[in-house]
Amino acid sequence: AQSVTQLGSHVSVSEGALVLLRCNYSSSVPPYLFWYVQYPNQGLQLLLKYTSAATLVKGINGFEAEFKKSETSFHLTKPSAHMSDAAEYFCAVSLSGGSNYKLTFGKGTLLTVNP
Amino acid sequence: GAGVSQTPSNKVTEKGKYVELRCDPISGHTALYWYRQSLGQGPEFLIYFQGTGAADDSGLPNDRFFAVRPEGSVSTLKIQRTERGDSAVYLCASSTGHSSNEQFFGPGTRLTVL
Repeated sequence: AQSVTQLGSHVSVSEGALVLLRCNYSSSVPPYLFWYVQYPNQGLQLLLKYTSAATLVKGINGFEAEFKKSETSFHLTKPSAHMSDAAEYFCAVSLSGGSNYKLTFGKGTLLTVNP
Repeated sequence: GAGVSQTPSNKVTEKGKYVELRCDPISGHTALYWYRQSLGQGPEFLIYFQGTGAADDSGLPNDRFFAVRPEGSVSTLKIQRTERGDSAVYLCASSTGHSSNEQFFGPGTRLTVL
């Protein structure tokens, strides 16, 4: 079984400030971890994924995340927020091995970027 | 190339009616997933197809929900005797089915049950 907890349903930052969105996971086997972004009235888009290679993962739009097994965390960061980053962000986990890679999502974090 | 498409984009129905939601996955993707996203929540898994067969339907909430993928491509999610609690956005995703592979999501169908 697996689960995801996203701390903070709403995060507000100023343009140019650091973005930090928190994600903790629980998994019975080594996990695959994902961050997806959802813009208003659009589908989910993959930002980045961890699949047991490098623990620091770089994604699109300047985002990156670090897998920390000891902390069971996969926090998403971006050094400098842009107005265009305003969206809802979802952390998700799937189990490695087998053939069913169904995703278990967190409840999401709404990111607001203030001018 | 074309992404995952879902039709209709919006569906309004009355309590007790039957609805069908369609998903066209990316060509060549063998794995297809249905998720449901309620307001203020993350998507929740419903069912997973590998080819034509439903490999995991453990997320379907009850026997009013059923999904098919008869030719291993297009899938239809069917909901009988709809209830107001079924109102949500229904998302479809497809992937190549290989380990750790990205799931590509469609824009979703917003279902409203009055």
